[in-house]
Amino acid sequence: GAVVSQHPSWVICKSGTSVKIECRSLDFQATTMFWYRQFPKQSLMLMATSNEGSKATYEQGVEKDKFLINHASLTLSTLTVTSAHPEDSSFYICSARRRGGNQPQHFGDGTRLSIL
Amino acid sequence: QKEVEQDPGPLSVPEGAIVSLNCTYSNSAFQYFMWYRQYSRKGPELLMYTYSSGNKEDGRFTAQVDKSSKYISLFIRDSQPSDSATYLCAMSYFQGAQKLVFGQGTRLTINP
Repeated sequence: GAVVSQHPSWVICKSGTSVKIECRSLDFQATTMFWYRQFPKQSLMLMATSNEGSKATYEQGVEKDKFLINHASLTLSTLTVTSAHPEDSSFYICSARRRGGNQPQHFGDGTRLSIL
Repeated sequence: QKEVEQDPGPLSVPEGAIVSLNCTYSNSAFQYFMWYRQYSRKGPELLMYTYSSGNKEDGRFTAQVDKSSKYISLFIRDSQPSDSATYLCAMSYFQGAQKLVFGQGTRLTINP
C-alpha cells in the first residue's frame, strides 16, 4: 500500500488565492521530503528539499516566497502556493525518504492544481 | 548533454513480450539507481533500487547496472497490459540529501 499520502489530489481555485498541499509519510519518519513539479509528458522537476525543523533548500529558479514549504514534523511537510496564478497550474508531487542512510524516495500520488 | 539520458519512446509491444528499458548517464559519482513506474495522473511508484553493478530480480522485473559503461536497464518479463505506464530511471549521489536525477521517462504500452 501507499507509504506517502498527499492531499488534496485535485484542486481548482481562482487566481490570487493561496493553496496548501500536504504530504505525509504514513508508517515511517521522514527526515527529508522533496517537492516536485511535473508538466505534461515531462519528467519531474525538483523544486525544493524539505528538512524537518529547518528551512527548505530551494532549487535555482524556484521562488521561495511563492512556494512556501514547512516541514513541522517527521511525518508532515506542506507546500503553500501563494497568490496562485494560471501559470502555477501544474502537477505537484512530494516524496519522502526514511530516516537512515541510503534509503530510496517514495512518492505521493500528486496534486493536480488548476488556477482559473 | 543531460546527466541522464532515456529514450522517451513511445514503446509499444505485444502482451507476453520481454521489455527492455534503459538509461545512460554521464556522471560516475552516481551511486544509487532506481526505476519508478508512473501511471497517468499518479505519482511514481518505486519498482527497483540498486546500488551496485550487477543484476537484481524481483518477480517479473530485473534491474541491471553496469557502472563501467554508465548504463542501467530494466527488463520486464511476461509483460501485461497493466504494465502500460511511463517508466522513469533515477539516480542519486552518495552524499548529501541524495537528490534524484531523473531520466525523461519512457512511455510503454503493452497491447493485449
